[in-house]
Amino acid sequence: EDKVVQSPLSLVVHEGDTVTLNCSYEVTNFRSLLWYKQEKKAPTFLFMLTSSGIEKKSGRLSSILDKKELFSILNITATQTGDSAVYLCAVEAGNRDDKIIFGKGTRLHILP
Amino acid sequence: NAGVMQNPRHLVRRRGQEARLRCSPMKGHSHVYWYRQLPEEGLKFMVYLQKENIIDESGMPKERFSAEFPKEGPSILRIQQVVRGDSAAYFCASSPPGLAGGLIFTDTQYFGPGTRLTVL
Repeated sequence: EDKVVQSPLSLVVHEGDTVTLNCSYEVTNFRSLLWYKQEKKAPTFLFMLTSSGIEKKSGRLSSILDKKELFSILNITATQTGDSAVYLCAVEAGNRDDKIIFGKGTRLHILP
Repeated sequence: NAGVMQNPRHLVRRRGQEARLRCSPMKGHSHVYWYRQLPEEGLKFMVYLQKENIIDESGMPKERFSAEFPKEGPSILRIQQVVRGDSAAYFCASSPPGLAGGLIFTDTQYFGPGTRLTVL
């Protein structure tokens, strides 16, 4: 059964701390891994990862994929209160049967 | 506790036909959200519903699209007179009622497996 597991489920840190969010997966015919930030309504797209070992960066956020060990991490450095959100990991998989499997998300809260 | 259920998983329609997509939220969840994912794009918010109420439909196209979440039964996203541009994956998510007195954290939305609509 295809699955995407995120950890931790929730995390509370102080402003300025660095956090690492984890996403592991077991799917058939992996195509890509996606990270989203969800605050109020629609998840905001952050990264799409398809190749192992290539770090993607956007400001204080970065992410990397390990296709051998089947996981990805999302790093946020120098956290700010505006980083408080739910971070979703999703995996696109399938060949003829395309699908996207979402994890349950990591709820991140940044204390001022 | 079963997760969010969507059916059908795949739907093929010819141009001009109607498409009905169903979403059953997780048990105890009273909020439903519909999203569309077009190829090579991220999720796009469409509509947010509570039982018998549309709370926010700012992401819904003005014509041909409608959504409902009746008192009994699943939420339905209905697309009339489908066109090829409607081909996409449609995701439903659900969340529990919000905490009284305001939220400390954003309510987590639990996503269904999606319905992939193909318009021929």
